[in-house]
Amino acid sequence: LAKTTQPISMDSYEGQEVNITCSHNNIATNDYITWYQQFPSQGPRFIIQGYKTKVTNEVASLFIPADRKSSTLSLPRVSLSDTAVYYCLVVLSASKIIFGSGTRLSIRP
Amino acid sequence: SAVISQKPSRDICQRGTSLTIQCQVDSQVTMMFWYRQQPGQSLTLIATANQGSEATYESGFVIDKFPISRPNLTFSTLTVSNMSPEDSSIYLCSVEHGGMGLNEQYFGPGTRLTVT
Repeated sequence: LAKTTQPISMDSYEGQEVNITCSHNNIATNDYITWYQQFPSQGPRFIIQGYKTKVTNEVASLFIPADRKSSTLSLPRVSLSDTAVYYCLVVLSASKIIFGSGTRLSIRP
Repeated sequence: SAVISQKPSRDICQRGTSLTIQCQVDSQVTMMFWYRQQPGQSLTLIATANQGSEATYESGFVIDKFPISRPNLTFSTLTVSNMSPEDSSIYLCSVEHGGMGLNEQYFGPGTRLTVT
């Protein structure tokens, strides 16, 4: 399974756009890039998944360059409630997923 | 989406005893997963449980310590056997739901276990 590398922590302020970049140099052809969010005392929650280019949903955008060796999760206009740990994973379909260390995002007023 | 519940939500147990954690899903799913998350740490996959077959354990986890049952497509249990303080952790179950995405997993709220 491909290993991912992402910053341990990030700080930002309410109303800002936050971009969290993840590197996955050994991503395989059939792997998908997936991001999860975890609040304290809760299980992780699926945010977004993509294979290439750009994916956008009501929560976030995911940018994936052509070589797919990295990806960037973009959170528009963050609020205090976006304070959480964000995990980047590369996964095969219908397969187990392995979590990396995640990025602890702190949003300040 | 899938709604997952776990019982108990938390427990305090004495060393040497065993605890069985239940995971119930509101829809039929093929694959269920059990994770452990120690305080402030990421999640570690314990095993994958498919209905009708024995669970597949990850490196470092064995069936004698973490026996798993998967009697039907909506239910699974994880037992933490012969507990020691090192087993104090949050245990989470998840299901793979292929409705929207190719690999979107839904997680239960977790069971917080403290071993004294």
